[in-house]
Amino acid sequence: AQSVAQPEDQVNVAEGNPLTVKCTYSVSGNPYLFWYVQYPNRGLQFLLKYITGDNLVKGSYGFEAEFNKSQTSFHLKKPSALVSDSALYFCAVRGLGQGGKLIFGQGTELSVKP
Amino acid sequence: NAGVTQTPKFQVLKTGQSMTLQCAQDMNHEYMSWYRQDPGMGLRLIHYSVGAGITDQGEVPNGYNVSRSTTEDFPLRLLSAAPSQTSVYFCASSYSTGQGVTGNEKLFFGSGTQLSVL
Repeated sequence: AQSVAQPEDQVNVAEGNPLTVKCTYSVSGNPYLFWYVQYPNRGLQFLLKYITGDNLVKGSYGFEAEFNKSQTSFHLKKPSALVSDSALYFCAVRGLGQGGKLIFGQGTELSVKP
Repeated sequence: NAGVTQTPKFQVLKTGQSMTLQCAQDMNHEYMSWYRQDPGMGLRLIHYSVGAGITDQGEVPNGYNVSRSTTEDFPLRLLSAAPSQTSVYFCASSYSTGQGVTGNEKLFFGSGTQLSVL
């Protein structure tokens, strides 16, 4: 069965420092991986996706993610964090069948302090 | 530029009451879905639809019904509300029907409905 895990409930970073939000996956076949962000009282917004090709995927708001097949990871990164990046981040994998549903991780709360 | 619109934003129900959460999208998306969000559990799929007249169950469908009479609308019905259904509900849509990988799997989410069942 397809699944993703986000091992950290919360990540704290100082503004200007690099940030990493971790995600590992377990899939049958080729993984289709996604990152979404949720700001307070809002729905989720798409950040980026990995379908195939280059292992480094660039997305919205300066975020990028690195696909690592040997470590079954898809960590979200940003070189220099902003206070406005503070939000809840979800990793997701495309499921098998069921209309290609997305299976989400439990979320990681990112807090960026000035 | 509406995107995915959900109503109401907040709702309080008593156990046993029924209600319908509304979802509409104006992007001509074929795929629509309902998720519930609970603390520490991420988002879980309740029901989904790959086109008008076609619906199917997700991973947590019990206690919920859906219908898809038009491309635009995908209402979620709670038949007899229970405290376990207290949650935040999100409707999401995308171009892709999930039949193969098109690269259009990006989901567009509504702003959510916060439901409390007492």
